[in-house]
Amino acid sequence: RKEVEQDPGPFNVPEGATVAFNCTYSNSASQSFFWYRQDCRKEPKLLMSVYSSGNEDGRFTAQLNRASQYISLLIRDSKLSDSATYLCVVNLFVGQNFVFGPGTRLSVLP
Amino acid sequence: DGGITQSPKYLFRKEGQNVTLSCEQNLNHDAMYWYRQDPGQGLRLIYYSQIVNDFQKGDIAEGYSVSREKKESFPLTVTSAQKNPTAFYLCATQDRLNQPQHFGDGTRLSIL
Repeated sequence: RKEVEQDPGPFNVPEGATVAFNCTYSNSASQSFFWYRQDCRKEPKLLMSVYSSGNEDGRFTAQLNRASQYISLLIRDSKLSDSATYLCVVNLFVGQNFVFGPGTRLSVLP
Repeated sequence: DGGITQSPKYLFRKEGQNVTLSCEQNLNHDAMYWYRQDPGQGLRLIYYSQIVNDFQKGDIAEGYSVSREKKESFPLTVTSAQKNPTAFYLCATQDRLNQPQHFGDGTRLSIL
């Protein structure tokens, strides 16, 4: 099993739709979780950290389920500008580095 | 990200040549990282450094070398031993463990 797996996508949704991405991780000792977005031929940019209690930033909501070892990202009222690849990132604490998922591509269509 | 400068943006390597990619940061972050991204693929860790004068191999270090003589700088050399160097190279910094990493805008390396 890969360390971090994501919905393969691509997701093609109309503007205004709600879309959810899932990510699973294999190491139950993982401590930190993040979502990044990456535009085509650009660097990844931090979208949001994921906290145990779940957190929201505008139209974006992130959830963590430690028991099932998955995190999710919900995007409400999708905009054309949300089109990108979304990377799930997991970090073990001491002695380990970030592990990036392969990404889920989202296309928001007019 | 502001504060992390990678250069050049585009680089071409000739057969048998070593090339060096620059990464400079003014964020005062202790940790710096080099990743490689191939088209349609995820990021893979090449080398990382959590303190000056110390660095560790990542998952795909063969054919690469680094140095960390200053906190601000973490150059990556792609040696002639790296037979398939064509990729997008990303440098990242991190303030403390468990904090998010922040990326420079990358260098695209191709073979002539």
